[in-house]
Amino acid sequence: GIQVEQSPPDLILQEGANSTLRCNFSDSVNNLQWFHQNPWGQLINLFYIPSGTKQNGRLSATTVATERYSLLYISSSQTTDSGVYFCAVDPTTSGTYKYIFGTGTRLKVLA
Amino acid sequence: GAGVSQSPRYKVAKRGQDVALRCDPISGHVSLFWYQQALGQGPEFLTYFQNEAQLDKSGLPSDRFFAERPEGSVSTLKIQRTQQEDSAVYLCASSPQTGGGRYGYTFGSGTRLTVV
Repeated sequence: GIQVEQSPPDLILQEGANSTLRCNFSDSVNNLQWFHQNPWGQLINLFYIPSGTKQNGRLSATTVATERYSLLYISSSQTTDSGVYFCAVDPTTSGTYKYIFGTGTRLKVLA
Repeated sequence: GAGVSQSPRYKVAKRGQDVALRCDPISGHVSLFWYQQALGQGPEFLTYFQNEAQLDKSGLPSDRFFAERPEGSVSTLKIQRTQQEDSAVYLCASSPQTGGGRYGYTFGSGTRLTVV
């Protein structure tokens, strides 16, 4: 099956710093989403981005589907950005929109 | 409702006990998904409903796991004869479209199951 690898696995930032999270996937995909899981366990959909670039406030994401990777940029990080960031992909072969999640990047932003 | 509601929030079961986990999706959402998240891992797909039809149950780990959505709204995930390896957070997600598609998922807060 498709492999979804995220890097780095852990990241500690000082408030105000910028960061880039990476998601590599081993096969072609129909859909790709980025999620944030807050320290209370709630998963929030950040971006639906099977290709191209999107921005939402301090967050932006870019997916290069032909090269099988996606990047999530966080600028001017805040303590509320802490949590785990997941990339999730829907493989072209799946047929039923089931997303395969990566192992996540655990981010801690220090005040 | 305004979001996806799951109950109970926490469940402790003795090994061998049967449990039922409930998911109330956002009203009118066609698609409903169940995921299992072990500690420190990403969520793993269990099953997918489109309205009342269970279109994909390939992720259910054994025949002890059973899910239903009889009227196309509320869904129940049942685990029979629970075992310690079933301990995890069970997440429900819904989407207004068939499949997740470009509208993405809205996740509930999950049910944390601990089997002792």
